Amino acid sequence: AQSVTQLDSQVPVFEEAPVELRCNYSSSVSVYLFWYVQYPNQGLQLLLKYLSGSTLVKGINGFEAEFNKSQTSFHLRKPSVHISDTAEYFCAVRKNSGYALNFGKGTSLLVTP
Amino acid sequence: NAGVMQNPRHLVRRRGQEARLRCSPMKGHSHVYWYRQLPEEGLKFMVYLQKENIIDESGMPKERFSAEFPKEGPSILRIQQVVRGDSAAYFCASSHTTSGQETQYFGPGTRLLVL
Repeated sequence: AQSVTQLDSQVPVFEEAPVELRCNYSSSVSVYLFWYVQYPNQGLQLLLKYLSGSTLVKGINGFEAEFNKSQTSFHLRKPSVHISDTAEYFCAVRKNSGYALNFGKGTSLLVTP
Repeated sequence: NAGVMQNPRHLVRRRGQEARLRCSPMKGHSHVYWYRQLPEEGLKFMVYLQKENIIDESGMPKERFSAEFPKEGPSILRIQQVVRGDSAAYFCASSHTTSGQETQYFGPGTRLLVL
């Protein structure tokens, strides 16, 4: 079975500051890794995903994430956040041979002026 | 190309009533997944369906819950005799294939409130 731990439930940050949202996973098999964003009362939108190859993955809205196999981490970063980045962020894993996504509990990012 | 559609967006039911949640996948997608999001929790997989087939319902509660994806029309998640613990957001996702690399596209969700 796979599991995902998002270490911070809430991350407050000032506008234009950098941010890192942490995600650790555990799995006995190879997995693919995903970050989704959920704006209030909306569905989930894919930010980026790691499948293979370069460990640094770039996504939409200026976000990027780095896959670290030895530390089983997939932290999400953005060098300068905007007010509009305020949302819930979910890290998820899926077995290479599977289809069900296993989500973390989410991190609430709150960007203030 | 319309995204994944879900209706209703909000649903209020009294205990003991039935709830029917509908999901229309993206055009060209024949794989549908249902997830449930309880308050303060991440999404939990419930069921995976292809047209006219339930492939994996390992995440579905054993009683009162059922799902279908008929040849024609949307996928339906049905909850009979709802209880307060069923209050949650229910999300549908769809994909073109079942490859592990494939992105699942999510709908806006149905927020069920049981009084």
